[in-house]
Amino acid sequence: GAVVSQHPSWVICKSGTSVKIECRSLDFQATTMFWYRQFPKQSLMLMATSNEGSKATYEQGVEKDKFLINHASLTLSTLTVTSAHPEDSSFYICSANLGQGGPYEQYFGPGTRLTVT
Amino acid sequence: DAKTTQPNSMESNEEEPVHLPCNHSTISGTDYIHWYRQLPSQGPEYVIHGLTSNVNNRMASLAIAEDRKSSTLILHRATLRDAAVYYCILRPFGANSKLTFGKGITLSVRP
Repeated sequence: GAVVSQHPSWVICKSGTSVKIECRSLDFQATTMFWYRQFPKQSLMLMATSNEGSKATYEQGVEKDKFLINHASLTLSTLTVTSAHPEDSSFYICSANLGQGGPYEQYFGPGTRLTVT
Repeated sequence: DAKTTQPNSMESNEEEPVHLPCNHSTISGTDYIHWYRQLPSQGPEYVIHGLTSNVNNRMASLAIAEDRKSSTLILHRATLRDAAVYYCILRPFGANSKLTFGKGITLSVRP
């Protein structure tokens, strides 16, 4: 099956610093990737849709200047949390579409646990 | 986005079949029915999806009502590793269509 990896799996950073999370599709090309955030005991919330070679589309209420997304290649998307604060501590998960233009399934990365102190 | 309704939780016994229901009375003609599951501290895992006909794969079966207003995910022999939160999601046809996650159903499996 299709594999999506994330790096790092967990990170601790100080308030005010920036953190970059990488999402890679290992055995397929992904024109579209998605970024989600999940707080404890809650469901996944979509943050943004990332398209290779173009600007990301952010969901309502998500600050695009705080959560910078770059999808520079068909196998790599990055999420940078800028000037992180404790309230940004969460589980960040990426996913990628298998195929284009259809109702294809999404494959998810294992997630990145971010803790801001 | 069309919504789905699932029970909060369900319990099953190991090695017995499990039927997880999902209601989606406002489904549109171009909505596909997707199921994903999530184990604690992991990313979701794709389980199965379908449009109108019943679907089978190595993980599960998906039974879709004739009017498409409900569906059932069937795990044929539950194992302890199947204990997870299962999400039933309607995904519109389209290149960048999103998955909108609800609360899902928490499946517990008794040994």
